[in-house]
Amino acid sequence: GIQVEQSPPDLILQEGANSTLRCNFSDSVNNLQWFHQNPWGQLINLFYIPSGTKQNGRLSATTVATERYSLLYISSSQTTDSGVYFCAVGGKTGGSYIPTFGRGTSLIVHP
Amino acid sequence: DGGITQSPKYLFRKEGQNVTLSCEQNLNHDAMYWYRQDPGQGLRLIYYSQIVNDFQKGDIAEGYSVSREKKESFPLTVTSAQKNPTAFYLCASSIMPGWGGNQPQHFGDGTRLSIL
Repeated sequence: GIQVEQSPPDLILQEGANSTLRCNFSDSVNNLQWFHQNPWGQLINLFYIPSGTKQNGRLSATTVATERYSLLYISSSQTTDSGVYFCAVGGKTGGSYIPTFGRGTSLIVHP
Repeated sequence: DGGITQSPKYLFRKEGQNVTLSCEQNLNHDAMYWYRQDPGQGLRLIYYSQIVNDFQKGDIAEGYSVSREKKESFPLTVTSAQKNPTAFYLCASSIMPGWGGNQPQHFGDGTRLSIL
């Protein structure tokens, strides 16, 4: 199956700093999503981005499908950005597309 | 408000006991999914359902069973055959089946299952 690797595994920032999270995947995909899991375990969909660039407020994401990676940018980080960021891709297994999640990047933003 | 409701939030299981986790959605989504998350790990797919009365195994289906008798409901049973059931279980849904296109996943708040 598809392998998904995220880096860095852990990140500690001061409030106001910028950061870049990376997701590498091992095969072509039709679906790539970024999620944020808050400290209480709730998962929120941030972006659906199989290719191209999208922005939503202080967050933006870029996927270069031909080179099999995606980047999530967080600008002017806030303490509420803390949590784990997951990248997930949809790869074909048999006749269906199955999701594969990376292990995540754990982000702590200090005030 | 539309969303996904998982219950209970916390669940304890005795050895040899089956337990059922509830997942209900009022988003009118066709597809529903069950994931397992272990500490420090990503999510792994247990089962998914693309339409009523149909479901498919994911990566780690052994020791689990599901049913999809109604569009809005997708309960997961953790059977006694699952030897290491302690984990965080998340239910999700998407408008249309599959992970092959523009199908953002919407998640419930999860159920934490522990062994007594």
